[in-house]
Formats: sequence, structure tokens, C-alpha cells
Amino acid sequence: ELQQSGPGLVKPSQTLSLTCAISGDSVSSNRAIWNWIRQSPSRGLEWLGRTYYRSKWFNDYAASMKGRITVTADTSNDQFSLQLNSVTPEDTAVYYCARVGRPDDYPRWVWGKGTTVTVSS
Amino acid sequence: IVLTQSPLALPVTPGEPASISCRSSQSLLHSNGYNYLDWYLQKPGQSPQLLISLGSNRAPGVPDRFSGSGSGTDFTLKISRVEAEDVGVYYCTQDVELPLTFGGGTKVEIK
Repeated sequence: ELQQSGPGLVKPSQTLSLTCAISGDSVSSNRAIWNWIRQSPSRGLEWLGRTYYRSKWFNDYAASMKGRITVTADTSNDQFSLQLNSVTPEDTAVYYCARVGRPDDYPRWVWGKGTTVTVSS
Repeated sequence: IVLTQSPLALPVTPGEPASISCRSSQSLLHSNGYNYLDWYLQKPGQSPQLLISLGSNRAPGVPDRFSGSGSGTDFTLKISRVEAEDVGVYYCTQDVELPLTFGGGTKVEIK
């Protein structure tokens, strides 16, 4: 299960920060990849970035987010986080964290419930 | 990878079958033999719920009236007998290649 937390309102030019707490798994699992996805009426569902551990930590980000996004893992608390800098009203969306496993995982995908984030002054 | 769903909207009659298509701009068949294409249903106010994984594997708790088929670039989600609770927006998504991408959605509503 994934439990999301973070503010629902962020001012323009500030940093959006969300956390996804993991239960029933480990952020350091070599079977899982931890993702952030968002959804807005104008952009639909949009993958933002991911982190995962395979003897060392790896990160991948959507090209549209590069330079503004950081996804980090917190092994002490089994959680992972999203930071999105210099937000604008275009970043208003529902943000989801999601776990994807290997083909033999059942289910392969698990999503958090979503956090509605509004960027407004 | 661009995923194109059709139709955009699908009015359905309870008890009747329904079918949604998802076409990919590139093959979703991985070298491991799996098609990395999943189907989701999003009901109003809820997060997307996984229906079908890897093209044809029903997720836990998903009724057997839902089935997925296809390989490579052409995939289909079928509902054998639509029920009122099946209304919502259906999405296909791929993760064979970054960035993960999603289809535009198919809105299923009861006639």
C-alpha cells in the first residue's frame, strides 16, 4: 500500500513536495520501481519520474520535467518523495505515486490514492 | 510511444458486450516475451484501478467479464457483459520504454 502526503496548495515559483510512504514492501526492493504520475484535464495522465535500487540508486525523469524535478528515496522510513521546483499554475494536477514490479508480481502495479495540488497565489 | 484509443466515447447497454481498442506507435513486446500494455478504469473521483496487466493478465479482484488481448501494437479490452458499475474512463498505458505513456481514454457510459 502507498500512502501519500503533502500540501494541497503551493504558490507560484515555489517548490512542490510530496511524499509516498510504503507499507508491505521496501523502497530498496530490487523487484520494484517507484514512480510519480500526475493527471490534469489539460494534459491527461503524465508520467513524471521514477527511482529504483539495483545495487545502487537510479533515477529517470520525463524530458518535460528535467531541471525541475527530483525523486528521492528515504530508506530509513521506506518512502520516496517528489520535488518539483519553480511551479506554475500549469503544474496544478492530481499527483499519484505508484509502484511497478516485475512481470510475475501480482498485481504488477499499485497506485496511491492521489493528492490534489493547486498552484495559486 | 503514442497510444491511440478508440472510440473516445462508448455508450453501452447493460448486459451487452463492449470493446475498446488501443493502438501503439511502436511494438510493446519486450524481449522477455511480455507485452508491456496495461488497462485501467478510472471512476469519478478515484485513482485509476488496474484491470489488466501485460496485455492479458487480470489484476486481483477484477471480474472475469473483463479480458485483454493483443500483441505488438494492437490491443483490445473486452467486457463480455457490461454492468452499471463499469462506467468510467478506461485507459491503456505502456511501460516497455520510457517515458511511460497513456492513451487518451475511452469514456464508457450507460445508454
